[in-house]
Amino acid sequence: DIVMTQSPDSLAVSLGERATINCKSSQSLLFRSNNMNYLAWYQQKPGQPPKLLIHWASTRESGVPDRFSGSGSGTDFTLTISSLQAEDVAVYYCQQYYDPPSTFGQGTRLEIK
Amino acid sequence: EVQLLESGGDLVQPGGSLRLSCAGSGFTFSSSAMGWVRRAPGKGLEWVSAISGGDRDTYHADSVKGRFTISRDNSKNTLYLQMSSLRVEDTAIYYCAKMEGFWGGKGWFDPWGQGTLVTVSS
Repeated sequence: DIVMTQSPDSLAVSLGERATINCKSSQSLLFRSNNMNYLAWYQQKPGQPPKLLIHWASTRESGVPDRFSGSGSGTDFTLTISSLQAEDVAVYYCQQYYDPPSTFGQGTRLEIK
Repeated sequence: EVQLLESGGDLVQPGGSLRLSCAGSGFTFSSSAMGWVRRAPGKGLEWVSAISGGDRDTYHADSVKGRFTISRDNSKNTLYLQMSSLRVEDTAIYYCAKMEGFWGGKGWFDPWGQGTLVTVSS
């Protein structure tokens, strides 16, 4: 199985500052034939189900604020929140869908400093 | 608006059985791939099972293979997860989700239902 490792496990950032969450996969998620990275990012707030933010590593979902962006390729990926808002407090997960079984990172807890 | 509503979660003894249901609305259920993902207390997300739309291919995680069965009734727009030989470690919130980019049992999950709690304890 592909192992997804996120860093850090938790993160405290001041309001208005940048937050960066990393995700590393144990093998490349880049499919050469279509040049797509098979990676998604989710946000889970307390008491709520996960919400899809980004798929194909950098394609932001409709309605997701543009302060959220995804980048990276191959085995190293990043979710960036350019200017942290109070409502961004959540746990964030990456997920690979390159090879079955689909696997998630352990999650990164984002808090306000 | 796509909506998914799970039901069937309960307290069950180890070795017992349970069937979860997920009613979908606001989209063409019959042609949509669907999946189950769980989150155990204090842990992260774990994919459990997936089922394709029209041809109904099914996929299960090794941790539940032989014990859980995913199925669907397209006439009722409902997804199921039949769980048997339940173990304490199956205790989790179980979410159903519509799957996108689906191929070979994998894809991303969007949207998710609110979840239903399964507790396995004596």
